[in-house]
Amino acid sequence: DAGVIQSPRHEVTEMGQEVTLRCKPISGHDYLFWYRQTMMRGLELLIYFNNNVPIDDSGMPEDRFSAKMPNASFSTLKIQPSEPRDSAVYFCASRGKGWGADGNTIYFGEGSWLTVV
Amino acid sequence: SQKIEQNSEALNIQEGKTATLTCNYTNYSPAYLQWYRQDPGRGPVFLLLIRENEKEKRKERLKVTFDTTLKQSLFHITASQPADSATYLCALEPPGTYKYIFGTGTRLKVLA
Repeated sequence: DAGVIQSPRHEVTEMGQEVTLRCKPISGHDYLFWYRQTMMRGLELLIYFNNNVPIDDSGMPEDRFSAKMPNASFSTLKIQPSEPRDSAVYFCASRGKGWGADGNTIYFGEGSWLTVV
Repeated sequence: SQKIEQNSEALNIQEGKTATLTCNYTNYSPAYLQWYRQDPGRGPVFLLLIRENEKEKRKERLKVTFDTTLKQSLFHITASQPADSATYLCALEPPGTYKYIFGTGTRLKVLA
């Protein structure tokens, strides 16, 4: 399996621009998570989906952030308008069904490194 | 507030020694706890899962303990090697939430 695939890997954008981050989860996984990682705050959960439905978006910092999952193999995280404080690494992760060791494990992509100048 | 804390920002140890990392949590009663490794520029990678009814779990040179009374997990790397240098994160899932909460991470450096 190719693992969780994220794009772009690196993005530099100007303040006020729209940013769209993309994620393809592992095939067959029914949970998808978006995390943000910074030195100050560590790894923070922004939102997660189950079977393409957003379950908990309480970690989304504000209305400038939105996430969608139109189908089981694709999700986007959008920031509009972007601000310098949004600079961080954004990780997508997915998890399989069941309660075995694999079912409890989440698999991360390599992250999208966002810099807003 | 609910949080997970890991000991110190960085831990330097000599090659061959045992590294011990700590994970403390409050206000949770998780059914299990996980440990992940993160290398610079990469996403976290799962290492071990320990359930609440397991006191200890081993995998090669790794050992994890889980004390639900103390609300603490210890992560040991025996016979440490420079290749073990990375950031180690603990994570738990508050029951019924499916939300994985991660600790602050401990950066381990093994000196040759």
